[in-house]
Amino acid sequence: NAGVTQTPKFQVLKTGQSMTLQCAQDMNHEYMSWYRQDPGMGLRLIHYSVGAGITDQGEVPNGYNVSRSTTEDFPLRLLSAAPSQTSVYFCASSYYRRMGMAEAFFGQGTRLTVV
Amino acid sequence: KNEVEQSPQNLTAQEGEFITINCSYSVGISALHWLQQHPGGGIVSLFMLSSGKKKHGRLIATINIQEKHSSLHITASHPRDSAVYICAVDSGAGNKLVFGAGTILRVKS
Repeated sequence: NAGVTQTPKFQVLKTGQSMTLQCAQDMNHEYMSWYRQDPGMGLRLIHYSVGAGITDQGEVPNGYNVSRSTTEDFPLRLLSAAPSQTSVYFCASSYYRRMGMAEAFFGQGTRLTVV
Repeated sequence: KNEVEQSPQNLTAQEGEFITINCSYSVGISALHWLQQHPGGGIVSLFMLSSGKKKHGRLIATINIQEKHSSLHITASHPRDSAVYICAVDSGAGNKLVFGAGTILRVKS
């Protein structure tokens, strides 16, 4: 059971380049989300999905795009990378509950540097 | 003011000491999560609680809903407990977690 798998682990981009961070889970979780972690700040929600075909914006969605075509995969796209997007990105999945999230499972993170 | 405040920000302890990390929040919640992040590593869920107290090994988590406060305790601390401990709250609306900034714990042998 692999859990939540994120790729790549490290990435350096030039300003203006685009790329996709991959996230896959094998636990049949309905809920998936992307967070960014910056020094001195808590994780902040970028986008989330409560099921295949359903996505919504979080706290800091600008510059990012997501889609959810399958239950397993939830890729995060950087449309035109900017230095402000230098961060560590985490994907997470959970069972969906009407009254809030169940235990969350996180990927190992992607450390992204935009130069 | 952040919705979730953790204290202390940094904590250094000697091996064997009893450790307490605090989390205060300002919103109504359906659940509170405690997470652990090792250096360079991923994030692992330790506890999810909505009332009372939970225990797992040397870790104990408590929550007081009326006071909007939770504590994470580590008994008989060990250097392998060195990590960042993160508190997150779930308001129950839209399945969104709001995170504290984390407490960096270092346990010296």
